[in-house]
Amino acid sequence: DADVTQTPRNRITKTGKRIMLECSQTKGHDRMYWYRQDPGLGLQLIYYSFDVKDINKGEISDGYSVSRQAQAKFSLSLESAIPNQTALYFCATSDSPGNNEQFFGPGTRLTVL
Amino acid sequence: QKEVEQDPGPLSVPEGAIVSLNCTYSNSAFQYFMWYRQYSRKGPELLMYTYSSGNKEDGRFTAQVDKSSKYISLFIRDSQPSDSATYLCAMRGSGTYKYIFGTGTRLKVLA
Repeated sequence: DADVTQTPRNRITKTGKRIMLECSQTKGHDRMYWYRQDPGLGLQLIYYSFDVKDINKGEISDGYSVSRQAQAKFSLSLESAIPNQTALYFCATSDSPGNNEQFFGPGTRLTVL
Repeated sequence: QKEVEQDPGPLSVPEGAIVSLNCTYSNSAFQYFMWYRQYSRKGPELLMYTYSSGNKEDGRFTAQVDKSSKYISLFIRDSQPSDSATYLCAMRGSGTYKYIFGTGTRLKVLA
């Protein structure tokens, strides 16, 4: 079984709709991240969380919100989706501060019409 | 100017070739340098990690960091078709857990 899972894997929605992307991990890591990937822009950090009570904005948090429901679960919400939020979204986890490896989920391809 | 610059490619090479992938960066505070490999429709996975300057070798892969030039490289020896993927560089400074990623270079190794 995959250590970091994301649901849904693909989603098409309309402008103005609220949508939630979910991430679960079985690695036991405290740190979780949400990124979006766009052609020509690379991975950009949306939000990150170092534990259940710690949520931090990344580079591009406008239009997004997150919820850390448990150590293993980190959800990303688009309150009112717009077309320029069409992208590939990745969840990632890492453990101790000294470990630079991030473990990525398989991604969610989101299309906003 | 982006903090991290990476040629998007695509880079096509014949099987067995030596591949050189590169990133340049502008922030002299970066201390930790990573290379990730991303196959189509998959999440990135860590290939190599280097702290500060120097070289690191792992099998067919060698990572180099030249902090004086703000330039990092990944070399792949005896490239294989299975190496065909997008390669992302990533880096961060001390005291921060915010990683800055390059845009990725798409590599195709032709059999």
